Amino acid sequence: SQQGEEDPQALSIQEGENATMNCSYKTSINNLQWYRQNSGRGLVHLILIRSNEREKHSGRLRVTLDTSKKSSSLLITASRAADTASYFCATDSGGYQKVTFGTGTKLQVIP
Amino acid sequence: DTGVSQDPRHKITKRGQNVTFRCDPISEHNRLYWYRQTLGQGPEFLTYFQNEAQLEKSRLLSDRFSAERPKGSFSTLEIQRTEQGDSAMYLCASSTGASPLHFGNGTRLTVT
Repeated sequence: SQQGEEDPQALSIQEGENATMNCSYKTSINNLQWYRQNSGRGLVHLILIRSNEREKHSGRLRVTLDTSKKSSSLLITASRAADTASYFCATDSGGYQKVTFGTGTKLQVIP
Repeated sequence: DTGVSQDPRHKITKRGQNVTFRCDPISEHNRLYWYRQTLGQGPEFLTYFQNEAQLEKSRLLSDRFSAERPKGSFSTLEIQRTEQGDSAMYLCASSTGASPLHFGNGTRLTVT
């Protein structure tokens, strides 16, 4: 079963615009991670935010976490055509044991 | 670090046949995970190993599915008596247990 749900399911933007995708989850978490998947490939880890953190930055990525609302958002600034991919949030209750993924947001960046 | 390797990349089989997939994790990683992903969906957890011990199995892993990691290194996932509903991408990932998951590029199974 999926722990999280991403919103929107699909997003199409012009190159240079910002892309925001949201993730809601159901149970208590130890950390929340975001992964990216190019078509037909495996997932690649992007960024991790711990349950006691509220915001984290990595390059053009900004992640926020609201544990009271059980939600997270991923912002990609100044998007590029190469950012076209599916993005998934993932959670685990501790120690990277059973890591469960959301349903994903499919992002298309139009050059 | 040569990454997580999965073999084969693609497998086409007829309904009722058995198939086996192999995953070679990153060498220093003691955790190994199997996921199944259908088109347009996120990866669904199947099972994970800590060294050679299988610590958790999803209810998705019916008795037709078996996974092993005999020496705590590579792992195999076998599906017996395949059904069309088994058609999916099977993803393997590994980690140290204190780090995010590193994924292979998956094995795409098509059951005809």
